[in-house]
Amino acid sequence: DAKTTQPNSMESNEEEPVHLPCNHSTISGTDYIHWYRQLPSQGPEYVIHGLTSNVNNRMASLAIAEDRKSSTLILHRATLRDAAVYYCILRKREQNSKLTFGKGITLSVRP
Amino acid sequence: EPEVTQTPSHQVTQMGQEVILRCVPISNHLYFYWYRQILGQKVEFLVSFYNNEISEKSEIFDDQFSVERPDGSNFTLKIRSTKLEDSAMYFCASGGDSYNYGYTFGSGTRLTVV
Repeated sequence: DAKTTQPNSMESNEEEPVHLPCNHSTISGTDYIHWYRQLPSQGPEYVIHGLTSNVNNRMASLAIAEDRKSSTLILHRATLRDAAVYYCILRKREQNSKLTFGKGITLSVRP
Repeated sequence: EPEVTQTPSHQVTQMGQEVILRCVPISNHLYFYWYRQILGQKVEFLVSFYNNEISEKSEIFDDQFSVERPDGSNFTLKIRSTKLEDSAMYFCASGGDSYNYGYTFGSGTRLTVV
């Protein structure tokens, strides 16, 4: 499985944008880039995913580099509820492919 | 918003006992998964299930583990003879009929083996 690299942690201020980076230099053409987050004492929660183009949804935006070797999850206005572990995961373009979680990046949000 | 429901939220069992963890996936989903997370560690894949059979399983998913979908709505994980090292959060997840989707996870069952 292709691997992703994320910083261990990041701090942000409430109501400011947050950019969470992810490197995936060994990504293959059939890999989707997925982001999940895990709030304390909860199960992982799907955030967003993309293949080549930038993506937006109600939770976040995903900016994908042109060569697809890196991506950035953007939270437009961080809230205290966004404090969580965020996982960048490459998922194979197959119907039943699993997710392989790394350590993720721990986001802290200061009031 | 549709949810994946897991029961019980917490189960304590004696070593060597059998446990069954239950999950109700989202009703129109076709793909089902179990993951686990030992305290302070990564979320680990256990098994995927589609069309009433196992699609893929990890090295963790040995002969002590089994899964089934007995009635078309529930999805269960059975551990035949629990060990202390089976203590973990167990998460069920389900997904729709395309690879272009995100999974929905349940809130987990905390299994404590004493």
